[in-house]
Amino acid sequence: DAEITQSPRHKITETGRQVTLACHQTWNHNNMFWYRQDLGHGLRLIHYSYGVQDTNKGEVSDGYSVSRSNTEDLPLTLESAASSQTSVYFCASSESGLESTEAFFGQGTRLTVV
Amino acid sequence: GQNIDQPTEMTATEGAIVQINCTYQTSGFNGLFWYQQHAGEAPTFLSYNVLDGLEEKGRFSSFLSRSKGYSYLLLKELQMKDSASYLCAVVGSGYNKLIFGAGTRLAVHP
Repeated sequence: DAEITQSPRHKITETGRQVTLACHQTWNHNNMFWYRQDLGHGLRLIHYSYGVQDTNKGEVSDGYSVSRSNTEDLPLTLESAASSQTSVYFCASSESGLESTEAFFGQGTRLTVV
Repeated sequence: GQNIDQPTEMTATEGAIVQINCTYQTSGFNGLFWYQQHAGEAPTFLSYNVLDGLEEKGRFSSFLSRSKGYSYLLLKELQMKDSASYLCAVVGSGYNKLIFGAGTRLAVHP
């Protein structure tokens, strides 16, 4: 069965360290997204990609970067982790089409910056 | 700017009907989604509306009025397992880019 997986599921890191969260999907979807979820804010879009070599900033992109070298993967990098980046991170993917399409979400990565 | 509003919390009784409202103001509109999210889990798709009217899927229905910037999710015959957060998300002008409201936490009591 096709799926979308995130790793690690939990991570604790120190302030100032570079951290990379992995996202891998086997749906062969062109669209991929990274969100963070915090109490009171819901899911906020960090970065997104519509295909290989395409990346775009979302509403809360400062301090984060992504790269898309193949269809399956969209890793999220925190350049220099800050305590404000403690959150649950969700990756999602969706199919390209003329109409909006359902997004499938990974299980999430809980990141704690100490 | 973009704004999506939902009530923060709701409670309901097992077997009853509950309606969760969502109002939105976005630049452009290309569809509205409802997702369900149980605590500690990933959001899962419930429904999609792009045209005005009601979409029914089993115990769940979703309604959209584009002129009013308004949607609701209707849950019938509530079960304990329906206790979860319900997320309203709009695709505005950005292609397939979901913008989420803060979510409504629903507690179903016996």
